[in-house]
Amino acid sequence: ETGVTQTPRHLVMGMTNKKSLKCEQHLGHNAMYWYKQSAKKPLELMFVYSLEERVENNSVPSRFSPECPNSSHLFLHLHTLQPEDSALYLCASSHREGALYSPLHFGNGTRLTVT
Amino acid sequence: QKEVEQNSGPLSVPEGAIASLNCTYSDRGSQSFFWYRQYSGKSPELIMSIYSNGDKEDGRFTAQLNKASQYVSLLIRDSQPSDSATYLCAGGLPNAGGTSYGKLTFGQGTILTVHP
Repeated sequence: ETGVTQTPRHLVMGMTNKKSLKCEQHLGHNAMYWYKQSAKKPLELMFVYSLEERVENNSVPSRFSPECPNSSHLFLHLHTLQPEDSALYLCASSHREGALYSPLHFGNGTRLTVT
Repeated sequence: QKEVEQNSGPLSVPEGAIASLNCTYSDRGSQSFFWYRQYSGKSPELIMSIYSNGDKEDGRFTAQLNKASQYVSLLIRDSQPSDSATYLCAGGLPNAGGTSYGKLTFGQGTILTVHP
């Protein structure tokens, strides 16, 4: 059982759709992350929120829009995606203080397919 | 140059053998290192962290760090079929902006297969 829960687990969407991915953590962490995992590529950091403030936006296209309403919830809003955006999207959380030494705890991910 | 580099494998070892997984990193400012295990269709889970030179042991797992050579390794003793997974190496860099958040960079992962 994971302390980081992601929904939905699978999502198929057309290029003109708008959808959102949801992440919730129950670990008392105050930093949350979105990662993208594509086949045969390293995990790519997309966004980081620390105490609900976005502290990193790793050159992600604007068709991905994150939202962090509080330290327990994180969303990734998707619109007009491209087929190459199909991937596993992983949410993670950690402690902010000493974040360099605080391991990431991952959710189970959302497998996204863009048709 | 990749920031964190791993041999993608696959690495195949017989049950009971020692599996050796290697990782190199390019930025000497990296301060923390993590090994994650990812089963097919699952999310990564932390198995080891190491911050200073030398060895760190936890059960059948030993992490080794050599900052001078910019090299991190993971040894799995008495390998079991249940150890078959992709192993991800990650290195942590302090955030250039001066906040406490650190940047974690992952390698592409090494696929390990332990055969009976």
